Amino acid sequence: AQSVSQHNHHVILSEAASLELGCNYSYGGTVNLFWYVQYPGQHLQLLLKYFSGDPLVKGIKGFEAEFIKSKFSFNLRKPSVQWSDTAEYFCAVNALRGSNYQLIWGAGTKLIIKP
Amino acid sequence: DVKVTQSSRYLVKRTGEKVFLECVQDMDHENMFWYRQDPGLGLRLIYFSYDVKMKEKGDIPEGYSVSREKKERFSLILESASTNQTSMYLCASSWEGAGELFFGEGSRLTVL
Repeated sequence: AQSVSQHNHHVILSEAASLELGCNYSYGGTVNLFWYVQYPGQHLQLLLKYFSGDPLVKGIKGFEAEFIKSKFSFNLRKPSVQWSDTAEYFCAVNALRGSNYQLIWGAGTKLIIKP
Repeated sequence: DVKVTQSSRYLVKRTGEKVFLECVQDMDHENMFWYRQDPGLGLRLIYFSYDVKMKEKGDIPEGYSVSREKKERFSLILESASTNQTSMYLCASSWEGAGELFFGEGSRLTVL
């Protein structure tokens, strides 16, 4: 079955630390890949996406992600985190299920940045 | 900016009550979705709709129904609420099935 796995459910970092959140998916076809973020008390919003082309994609607020097809991975990175990055991060893959494309979601990673 | 509005941010209902959750989007999106979000489980798709009066079951449709009479409005209905339906419910819309989703702020439902 198609699935998305996020390696860590909770991550705690200090400000200025580097961040990498893992995301692996199981789906053999063409994929569109997404990272969404949910800041405390706010709605889910798109952080970045990959459809095709350069496998290194840049998103808002200094985030980037690299699509490695051979590893079925789409890890999220940021060189230096800020307290305002405290949020929950969700990886999602758009895959064909039946006759429709649907987003398959990871369980989410709660990131806490200590000031 | 795209705006997806959910009618209620917080609801408290009793077991057996009928619950309506409404969602309106203002960008003429074809596609609308209802998810529930539970800690450690991510987002699970309840129902989605690719057109007016059209609906498709998602991964967890049991105990829920939906209605889409107008393009901009997608309603989630719990015919007889149960305590295991206590959750955060998220509505989303998109231009196309494979594209970016735009979310509402969520409706937190507590069933006592």
